[in-house]
Amino acid sequence: EADIYQTPRYLVIGTGKKITLECSQTMGHDKMYWYQQDPGMELHLIHYSYGVNSTEKGDLSSESTVSRIRTEHFPLTLESARPSHTSQYLCASSETRTRGTDTQYFGPGTRLTVL
Amino acid sequence: KQEVTQIPAALSVPEGENLVLNCSFTDSAIYNLQWFRQDPGKGLTSLLLIQSSQREQTSGRLNASLDKSSGRSTLYIAASQPGDSATYLCACYGGSQGNLIFGKGTKLSVKP
Repeated sequence: EADIYQTPRYLVIGTGKKITLECSQTMGHDKMYWYQQDPGMELHLIHYSYGVNSTEKGDLSSESTVSRIRTEHFPLTLESARPSHTSQYLCASSETRTRGTDTQYFGPGTRLTVL
Repeated sequence: KQEVTQIPAALSVPEGENLVLNCSFTDSAIYNLQWFRQDPGKGLTSLLLIQSSQREQTSGRLNASLDKSSGRSTLYIAASQPGDSATYLCACYGGSQGNLIFGKGTKLSVKP
């Protein structure tokens, strides 16, 4: 069983607020990811990290930012939330293994609603 | 650019039926293909991972096959149960950074 946690699970917030979505894992995985998923749509990678002090932008452009100061922690921040940011945000992690054998473990997600 | 398509988008079957979910991908240069399960309002759970050199993987009542040359994978669920009701997602590596590309999923409903 994977141990990856996200808080909060649900967040309703007004336009213009700064928010941080938390993600932590206790498996010691080097790689961590943030995905965005709209209802009925596919997951899109918005950020990823190969390890401490490593952050990269994903395939889908996002106004959010991430940081990786500790191996176990990969928070996502929106400086000024807008209604277009309303979505589900999923965090995942994986081991550094031979390419083709690594699977990703997902957290429960944060459902964000910006009014 | 890798694209992943899943058919059908939704499927409803009576309990006990065997069923097949389909996944197709456009770029056969994949490292592996993975099947995930997603329950409403929750994250994803990895079901099966097929490496590019493999043809199939089995776990309990689930069997996934991979045909790289035709760009197809299938997930076979035997003797379906109401607890199998969920959205099933297929994903393989692609994209500009070689990360996972997901399909939109097949929403499965198994009626008791």
